[in-house]
Amino acid sequence: GAVVSQHPSWVICKSGTSVKIECRSLDFQATTMFWYRQFPKQSLMLMATSNEGSKATYEQGVEKDKFLINHASLTLSTLTVTSAHPEDSSFYICSAGGRGGSWTQYFGPGTRLLVL
Amino acid sequence: GNSVTQMEGPVTLSEEAFLTINCTYTATGYPSLFWYVQYPGEGLQLLLKATKADDKGSNKGFEATYRKETTSFHLEKGSVQVSDSAVYFCALSPMEGGAQKLVFGQGTRLTINP
Repeated sequence: GAVVSQHPSWVICKSGTSVKIECRSLDFQATTMFWYRQFPKQSLMLMATSNEGSKATYEQGVEKDKFLINHASLTLSTLTVTSAHPEDSSFYICSAGGRGGSWTQYFGPGTRLLVL
Repeated sequence: GNSVTQMEGPVTLSEEAFLTINCTYTATGYPSLFWYVQYPGEGLQLLLKATKADDKGSNKGFEATYRKETTSFHLEKGSVQVSDSAVYFCALSPMEGGAQKLVFGQGTRLTINP
């Protein structure tokens, strides 16, 4: 199956700093990428959908200026958590969907963010 | 709107037991249905899917049938193994074509004891 990687796998940062998380589709072209947030023992909550070359579409309640998403190429999307605060600590997961009407999203392994 | 409801966990079974994890959905139109599995420390993996009514998805001994009349997609396995211990998520994709966003259930944690 298709492989999606995320980097870093975990990050610890100080409150007020910004953190960038990369999501790459390694062996296919991802026209659409999704960013999710998962709290402990809870389900995934979709944060935003990004299409290559266009602005991301954010879900209701997600701050666009805080969670900056860029999908500059068919293999890379980035999520930047700006001015991070402890309440932003979470598990962030990306997924990628390819061309040709594929139903399947392929998920990255996730990035655990801890803001001190 | 679209939503997915799974049976609450955690679920604990003995090895070789029969497994059922219930999943029901609410959706407009004709969604595709999925089961994803998340093993400890790993990302979500697609376990199986069904794209239309009466389809049966199967993989690794797991099965689920798309029941439109009961809006259900229950996950079953006849004989579970310790290695099946994971969190299982039922999900739907509301539209046809392309990589549409997924709506997840709350997840069910499964533990299999030897």
